[in-house]
Amino acid sequence: AQSVTQLGSHVSVSEGALVLLRCNYSSSVPPYLFWYVQYPNQGLQLLLKYTSAATLVKGINGFEAEFKKSETSFHLTKPSAHMSDAAEYFCAVSDFGNTPLVFGKGTRLSVIA
Amino acid sequence: DAGVIQSPRHEVTEMGQEVTLRCKPISGHNSLFWYRQTMMRGLELLIYFNNNVPIDDSGMPEDRFSAKMPNASFSTLKIQPSEPRDSAVYFCASSLRGGAEAFFGQGTRLTVV
Repeated sequence: AQSVTQLGSHVSVSEGALVLLRCNYSSSVPPYLFWYVQYPNQGLQLLLKYTSAATLVKGINGFEAEFKKSETSFHLTKPSAHMSDAAEYFCAVSDFGNTPLVFGKGTRLSVIA
Repeated sequence: DAGVIQSPRHEVTEMGQEVTLRCKPISGHNSLFWYRQTMMRGLELLIYFNNNVPIDDSGMPEDRFSAKMPNASFSTLKIQPSEPRDSAVYFCASSLRGGAEAFFGQGTRLTVV
């Protein structure tokens, strides 16, 4: 069965600094990978997705992620953090893109002024 | 499009009472998912439907939980009787096919006292 591990339940960065949120997946078949963001008292919003095309995926709000099969990773990055990026971030996997999403435990990102 | 609509947004009920959560998926989407979010367990898939038919309910924690999808535009999640450990945020999500790129509602925060 597929699974996702997010390293670090809480990450804190300074405004303007690089954001790096880590995600490793386990899947016996080609995975579709997703990053979602959740703001307080809100639902989950899709940031970006990998669907077996380009390995470097660009999403909304300046975020991007790179699929590395050899490392079974799909880390999320942003060159310069903004205060508005403070939220909970979830990595998720779907086998072939046609099974329900399986989520990691989430990483809470804090941005310090 | 209004997105996935859930009601109520907040529900406070007493232990032993019946609780019904409601969801209207995005028009045209043929897959619907119910997830539960808690601090301890993160986001868990409870049940999902394809074309109004329940496909996998293995995530439903107990027989006290039931879900229906009488038509393509409406689904309910019922808990009867409710218990304090059911307190969580319940999300409904929909997608065009399978689990890929699911769109989430705002969630229902359930508190059982």
